[in-house]
Amino acid sequence: GENVEQHPSTLSVQEGDSAVIKCTYSDSASNYFPWYKQELGKRPQLIIDIRSNVGEKKDQRIAVTLNKTAKHFSLHITETQPEDSAVYFCAATYRGSTLGRLYFGRGTQLTVWP
Amino acid sequence: DVKVTQSSRYLVKRTGEKVFLECVQDMDHENMFWYRQDPGLGLRLIYFSYDVKMKEKGDIPEGYSVSREKKERFSLILESASTNQTSMYLCASSLRVGSGNTIYFGEGSWLTVV
Repeated sequence: GENVEQHPSTLSVQEGDSAVIKCTYSDSASNYFPWYKQELGKRPQLIIDIRSNVGEKKDQRIAVTLNKTAKHFSLHITETQPEDSAVYFCAATYRGSTLGRLYFGRGTQLTVWP
Repeated sequence: DVKVTQSSRYLVKRTGEKVFLECVQDMDHENMFWYRQDPGLGLRLIYFSYDVKMKEKGDIPEGYSVSREKKERFSLILESASTNQTSMYLCASSLRVGSGNTIYFGEGSWLTVV
C-alpha cells in the first residue's frame, strides 16, 4: 500500500511568520492529497486538498503545492496566528486504493507563539 | 452539514472487559472507518466498511472486530480489552465512489483500560 512520511513532527513559529510542513508519498498512482487540521480536543477537519492534475492551490493564508515527479507535497501557512496552533495531518490516496481509503502521515504539532 | 456521532466520549474499562464503541453518521455515506490515534503515531486504520455487513481490515486489526448491520451505524468491538488498547478512537465516514472524497471524523472516544 501507500506510505506517507511527514516532517517535521513538531514546529514552533512566531506569530506572523510562515510555516511549512512537508510530506512524501511512495505510490506514483496517488492522485488526491488532503490536509487535515486537528485542534486540541477536537476532531480532524479538512482544511485544503489538491489533486494530481494541479501543482498548487491556495485558500487565503494556506496553500498546498504538489511535485509529482519528486512525489512530495507541502502545506504552507503564511502570517501565522495563535489559532493556527494544532496538529496537521497530510494524507494520500490512489486509484487502486480500496474504495477511497486515505493513508495518513504521522502528524505535525504546530505551535504559534504570540 | 455532515454529522458523525460517537456515542461515548470518555470510557474507563477493566482489563478483559468487552467494549463497544458506537458510531452513527447521518449523510448516507457508504464508507465508514475506525482509526486509532496515539501521540507520535498519527491516525492508524483499524477497520473499514464500504457497505452493510462488509468489512475490511486496516493496518492494526488485531484485538478488534467491527459490525455494520445498518448503513448509518458502524461499531468497534474490543472482545477482551487490554491496557495497550488505551487510546483515542476516531470514527469517520465518506462517500464511496472514486478517490478524493472527503472523510468526515467524529469527535473521538477516549478509552482508558485499567
